[in-house]
Amino acid sequence: KNEVEQSPQNLTAQEGEFITINCSYSVGISALHWLQQHPGGGIVSLFMLSSGKKKHGRLIATINIQEKHSSLHITASHPRDSAVYICAVRGAQKLVFGQGTRLTINP
Amino acid sequence: DGGITQSPKYLFRKEGQNVTLSCEQNLNHDAMYWYRQDPGQGLRLIYYSQIVNDFQKGDIAEGYSVSREKKESFPLTVTSAQKNPTAFYLCASSITEEYSPLHFGNGTRLTVT
Repeated sequence: KNEVEQSPQNLTAQEGEFITINCSYSVGISALHWLQQHPGGGIVSLFMLSSGKKKHGRLIATINIQEKHSSLHITASHPRDSAVYICAVRGAQKLVFGQGTRLTINP
Repeated sequence: DGGITQSPKYLFRKEGQNVTLSCEQNLNHDAMYWYRQDPGQGLRLIYYSQIVNDFQKGDIAEGYSVSREKKESFPLTVTSAQKNPTAFYLCASSITEEYSPLHFGNGTRLTVT
């Protein structure tokens, strides 16, 4: 079993829909990162959080430390949100990455 | 604008040749990292460096080498000993190793035939 599991692996939705991507992890962590990877390959850091909730524009990230679970929400989704979203957790000594969720938003 | 520059974007090499991937940052970050990305897998750490003239092996260091002679630069050499070098390589940096967001370059796609 991977230390970091993301679901779903692939998600297709219509423009305007509310999107939720989930991340579950099995190790103790000090921080969790949400990253966005566009088709060209470059990766952008969206959030780094260790508790509670963070919001930036239409993006919201939450984390439940007790349940070892985090969610990334996108409100009013748009085709430009189409990308691979990656969850990464910082354990004792290193970052461990999930496999990513490929999101496609159709107009 | 500050950022991380990886070059080249695409690289093609013949089997048996060493190849060096460039990574330069002007963010004044102490920590730098090299990751490898393969289809269907999460990023895997090759090497990381917390300070100039010091670096540590990551999970998949075999067949790779690095140097950190300057704070801004962290080149990765893929040697002929790396059995499956074709992959997408990403360089990243952070202010410190812990508790700081990662900044990534745009990656280099290496194809070895």
